[in-house]
Amino acid sequence: GAVVSQHPSWVICKSGTSVKIECRSLDFQATTMFWYRQFPKQSLMLMATSNEGSKATYEQGVEKDKFLINHASLTLSTLTVTSAHPEDSSFYICSASGRSADTQYFGPGTRLTVL
Amino acid sequence: AQSVAQPEDQVNVAEGNPLTVKCTYSVSGNPYLFWYVQYPNRGLQFLLKYITGDNLVKGSYGFEAEFNKSQTSFHLKKPSALVSDSALYFCALGGNQGGKLIFGQGTELSVKP
Repeated sequence: GAVVSQHPSWVICKSGTSVKIECRSLDFQATTMFWYRQFPKQSLMLMATSNEGSKATYEQGVEKDKFLINHASLTLSTLTVTSAHPEDSSFYICSASGRSADTQYFGPGTRLTVL
Repeated sequence: AQSVAQPEDQVNVAEGNPLTVKCTYSVSGNPYLFWYVQYPNRGLQFLLKYITGDNLVKGSYGFEAEFNKSQTSFHLKKPSALVSDSALYFCALGGNQGGKLIFGQGTELSVKP
């Protein structure tokens, strides 16, 4: 149980284009989803928290107009990197927690490379 | 301020030997503590958690951790390491941040045959 999927697992795009990453909870209802960014050999940096049906709460320093988050259902959240630039290249990981909210289950991550 | 620290960037262990990955925390109130493991280019896999109850918590793949309130520690242990345990391990603190987790910087575990 508690499986979270992400799609795509990797994506390469040109500078200036937008990329959408999907995060799905496969066997539970995710009342809260989290989006993280991770640089090589480093810890996870929380970007934003989203609750189903509500606007996402962004961490300080994260541009909400650049990283659009939608959590339209209890099993799906999306992160759209708008007008991507090479500095946005990173490993993006989502996590989801259910109604008990005490444990986050993580997706496998998405490797974004912006050329 | 709430924080979690993993004092070792890397831990090296011979296969079959016991392993310990250290974690200490600072929190006001009762901590929720977690261990996750990350294999290269993968997301994090949940190993175990302490919320309340028995201080010794058993988790996946033979791992366990002991919550020590007086030492504010939550070290991850395994009696006999496997080469396949080689990965990046993260300790995380939750409970008071609306479901958010504060992660340690990670410890690279290397188990050699």
